[in-house]
Amino acid sequence: AQSVTQPDIHITVSEGASLELRCNYSYGATPYLFWYVQSPGQGLQLLLKYFSGDTLVQGIKGFEAEFKRSQSSFNLRKPSVHWSDAAEYFCAVGGDYKLSFGAGTTVTVRA
Amino acid sequence: EAGVVQSPRYKIIEKKQPVAFWCNPISGHNTLYWYLQNLGQGPELLIRYENEEAVDDSQLPKDRFSAERLKGVDSTLKIQPAELGDSAVYLCASSLGPAETQYFGPGTRLLVL
Repeated sequence: AQSVTQPDIHITVSEGASLELRCNYSYGATPYLFWYVQSPGQGLQLLLKYFSGDTLVQGIKGFEAEFKRSQSSFNLRKPSVHWSDAAEYFCAVGGDYKLSFGAGTTVTVRA
Repeated sequence: EAGVVQSPRYKIIEKKQPVAFWCNPISGHNTLYWYLQNLGQGPELLIRYENEEAVDDSQLPKDRFSAERLKGVDSTLKIQPAELGDSAVYLCASSLGPAETQYFGPGTRLLVL
């Protein structure tokens, strides 16, 4: 069975500081991995995805994620956080059509 | 390019009433998904369509939920009768094909009183 664990329910970070969100997955084969962001009252917006190839993936809004097969992880990073990055972030894993999402990490940005 | 469109954005109903949600996927996307998102949780798949065929409805509570995708484009998700526990966000997503990236609509936030 496939599953995703996001260990951090809530993270608070200062504007301009770096951010790292953790994601661990369970999947029987080579996974497709995704990070989505959801602002309050909005749908999910795709930040980045990993299908194959380079394990460091660049996404929109200055985000990047690194796939580490040995650790079954796909952590999301941003070097310098902006106030507009306050949102909920979801990691998802899938190999065909079925996506399994983590419970999400809420990011609060303080001035 | 227009994204996935959903309506209504918000709906408040009393329990035991029927309710319907509508989704218009991105043009050219053959695969359409309905997800349920409970508060504080990630989305969970309810049903997936390939064109007009429901190819995975194993997670759809068929006693009260139904869905259709006529002509393989727009889709409607219905609940009849609604229960208090159905209060959640209902998300629609679409993709070019079953193993392609899914793009999500803004969701319909349902409150059952």
